[in-house]
Amino acid sequence: QLQLQESGPGLVKASETLSLTCTVSGGSISSSSYYWGWIRQPPGKGLEWIGSMFYSGNIYYNPSLKSRVTISMDTSKNQFSLKLSSVTAADTAVYYCARLPLSSASFFDFWGQGTLVTVSS
Amino acid sequence: QSALTQPASVSGSPGQSITISCTGTSSDIGVYNYVSWYQQHPGKAPKLLIYDVSYRPSGVSNRFSGSKSGNTASLTISVLQAEDEADFYCSSLTTSSTLVFGGGTKLTVL
Repeated sequence: QLQLQESGPGLVKASETLSLTCTVSGGSISSSSYYWGWIRQPPGKGLEWIGSMFYSGNIYYNPSLKSRVTISMDTSKNQFSLKLSSVTAADTAVYYCARLPLSSASFFDFWGQGTLVTVSS
Repeated sequence: QSALTQPASVSGSPGQSITISCTGTSSDIGVYNYVSWYQQHPGKAPKLLIYDVSYRPSGVSNRFSGSKSGNTASLTISVLQAEDEADFYCSSLTTSSTLVFGGGTKLTVL
């Protein structure tokens, strides 16, 4: 059974870089059938797509975050990662990693449980 | 890119049907049949309910159905049950190959 697990610091200082890793088990991130992505949700607010990546290197980012975001993959560890630089309090959110089928790369069919990241001043 | 527009809240009684709308533009919902819907219970990760406008993943109840007309997509829940009370989000692919979510709709089962 596919499982995705987010990990990383739960507290990040303002102006620093947020770094999270998603470990995938029960499936391969090198699969030619799926993209892998990140979504976040500020407390009490809605979902925001951050970006999606294919193992070949194709990456798409939310234009509003593009200047600060990097998504990468480590196929040897079956993990993909998110880095968000110059964080502010507005980046405080639950961060989810998820899988997107390649058929349209437009929906997330499996999600991690999410991890709360708080940006402190 | 602007978020898709959903009503903040909807409500219905058990056994009734409700519909949640999701309005986009000719750069997202209006141009692609790539609308998806998610259900999120408090403290939980979102769950995929509908993809590609009207397709249900295996295991999702046929009480959930999706449709689209022009720039607006809709999620209908029939025979409402108490367990359906949750937040619902729509999403669409855009012409820029990005994804955009709706602001979310809180469903209350009276």
